[in-house]
Amino acid sequence: GAVVSQHPSWVICKSGTSVKIECRSLDFQATTMFWYRQFPKQSLMLMATSNEGSKATYEQGVEKDKFLINHASLTLSTLTVTSAHPEDSSFYICSARDPGPMADTQYFGPGTRLTVL
Amino acid sequence: SQQGEEDPQALSIQEGENATMNCSYKTSINNLQWYRQNSGRGLVHLILIRSNEREKHSGRLRVTLDTSKKSSSLLITASRAADTASYFCATDVGFQKLVFGTGTRLLVSP
Repeated sequence: GAVVSQHPSWVICKSGTSVKIECRSLDFQATTMFWYRQFPKQSLMLMATSNEGSKATYEQGVEKDKFLINHASLTLSTLTVTSAHPEDSSFYICSARDPGPMADTQYFGPGTRLTVL
Repeated sequence: SQQGEEDPQALSIQEGENATMNCSYKTSINNLQWYRQNSGRGLVHLILIRSNEREKHSGRLRVTLDTSKKSSSLLITASRAADTASYFCATDVGFQKLVFGTGTRLLVSP
């Protein structure tokens, strides 16, 4: 099946700094990728839809100026958490939809655990 | 919130037993998918069932879908310790968006 990678797998940063998380589709091209956030022992909440070559679409309640998304190529989307605060500490997961015969299936990256001190 | 609900929240069984998890959702869907997540890891796609399907099998997995009741169930037969994980249903509500359920934490003891 399709493979999605994320980098880094974990990051610790100081409050007020910015952190960039990369999401790559390794063996397929993805015009659309998705970013989710998951707090401990909770479900995944969709943050935004990342569209190649255009602006991301954010879910209600997600601050677009705080969570900057750039989908510069068909295999890479980045999420930048700007001016991070401890409440931004979470598990961030991206996904991409398989463009092939299994087009309804989304493949998820391994996630990035962000800890803001 | 559009988020679906799953029950039970947690399930503890012995190896060899069957595990059943239920998912209820709120809106019309294109399809419903089940995922597994091991602690602190990414999600693994298990099975997809389309809105016009009622039942689907994949190995030890059996999924049912009742669109009139807006509910689905996942049955894992002959469970193994390696099945210990969190299981999430996710509904495809259109525009390629998935809405996840609250999840069921399954513990299979040897």
